[in-house]
Amino acid sequence: GENVEQHPSTLSVQEGDSAVIKCTYSDSASNYFPWYKQELGKGPQLIIDIRSNVGEKKDQRIAVTLNKTAKHFSLHITETQPEDSAVYFCAAASVGSNMLTFGGGTRLMVKP
Amino acid sequence: EAQVTQNPRYLITVTGKKLTVTCSQNMNHEYMSWYRQDPGLGLRQIYYSMNVEVTDKGDVPEGYKVSRKEKRNFPLILESPSPNQTSLYFCASSLTPPSGVGPYGYTFGSGTRLTVV
Repeated sequence: GENVEQHPSTLSVQEGDSAVIKCTYSDSASNYFPWYKQELGKGPQLIIDIRSNVGEKKDQRIAVTLNKTAKHFSLHITETQPEDSAVYFCAAASVGSNMLTFGGGTRLMVKP
Repeated sequence: EAQVTQNPRYLITVTGKKLTVTCSQNMNHEYMSWYRQDPGLGLRQIYYSMNVEVTDKGDVPEGYKVSRKEKRNFPLILESPSPNQTSLYFCASSLTPPSGVGPYGYTFGSGTRLTVV
């Protein structure tokens, strides 16, 4: 089955700096890569996703890039704000599979 | 409000005492899933359901049961809980499966923190 590895496990940045979280996946058939943000005491919430026919996708201060050859994808947050502090999860789903496999999570702390 | 509702939010129980965590969604989603969240391991899928009466195992199904008798409800059953099932549990639903065509983002519930002593 699919295996998703996520790095780093914790990330601390100053407000205004950029943050990058990286994930690798094992199944070359995977074609859907979402990112979720989990705030304290809440369930994860989808913030952005990308499919394998697209190399990059942006939504305001967040962007996701995908390298299918290397089987890795990344989340980029620019101009970080304290409210970006949360746990972020990457995930991958394979064509024909009904399962979404998550990475181990990254705790992002944005210091004012 | 579109949402996934889990109950209870917190539960402390003893080893071997059967329990059920309920999950209900009001979005007419066909696909529902249960995950457990453990530090450093992310979210691991326990079971999922494609539709009424259609369920299948995820990555960590041992010790759990599910049923899908109605579209909106997807309870998680622990017949004989053990301490290694102490975890944070999430129910999630989506319009289509993750690899399907169309909108497929999960809506997650708020979680159930289970402690088995």
